[in-house]
Amino acid sequence: GENVEQHPSTLSVQEGDSAVIKCTYSDSASNYFPWYKQELGKRPQLIIDIRSNVGEKKDQRIAVTLNKTAKHFSLHITETQPEDSAVYFCAAESGGSYIPTFGRGTSLIVHP
Amino acid sequence: DAGITQSPRHKVTETGTPVTLRCHQTENHRYMYWYRQDPGHGLRLIHYSYGVKDTDKGEVSDGYSVSRSKTEDFLLTLESATSSQTSVYFCAISEVMGQETQYFGPGTRLLVL
Repeated sequence: GENVEQHPSTLSVQEGDSAVIKCTYSDSASNYFPWYKQELGKRPQLIIDIRSNVGEKKDQRIAVTLNKTAKHFSLHITETQPEDSAVYFCAAESGGSYIPTFGRGTSLIVHP
Repeated sequence: DAGITQSPRHKVTETGTPVTLRCHQTENHRYMYWYRQDPGHGLRLIHYSYGVKDTDKGEVSDGYSVSRSKTEDFLLTLESATSSQTSVYFCAISEVMGQETQYFGPGTRLLVL
């Protein structure tokens, strides 16, 4: 089955800095990669996703890049703000199972 | 938020007792999922459903069963709760299976003493 590794487990930045979270996956057949944000005590919510036919996708201050050859994808947050503080989960979905496998999460802390 | 509710939101129970968690949706989505969330483990799939009375196991299904008798309801049962099942349980729904957003419910915090 799919295995997703996510790093770092904790990331602390100053407001205004950039933050990068990286994930690797094992199944070369995976073709859908969503990112979820979970604020403290809340439910996970999708913030951005990318499909395997695209190398990069942006939405305002967040972007995701995908390297299919190396089997890794990354979330980039620019100009971080305190409200970006949350746990972020990556996931990879294989075209065979249609079930996402989640990484273990990254706790992002943005200091004012 | 998508129309997903979970009940109860919090529960404390004792080892060996049966527990049923309910997920209810008003979106008429075909696919429903149960996950558990534990520190350091992310979200792990317990069971999922691809239609009424159609369910399948996820990666951590031991000790859990599910039922779906109506499109809108997906029940998760712990037959005999153990302390290792103390966790936060999230239900999720999706309109299609594959390459689509999953919408999560608010979660149920379960403590097994």
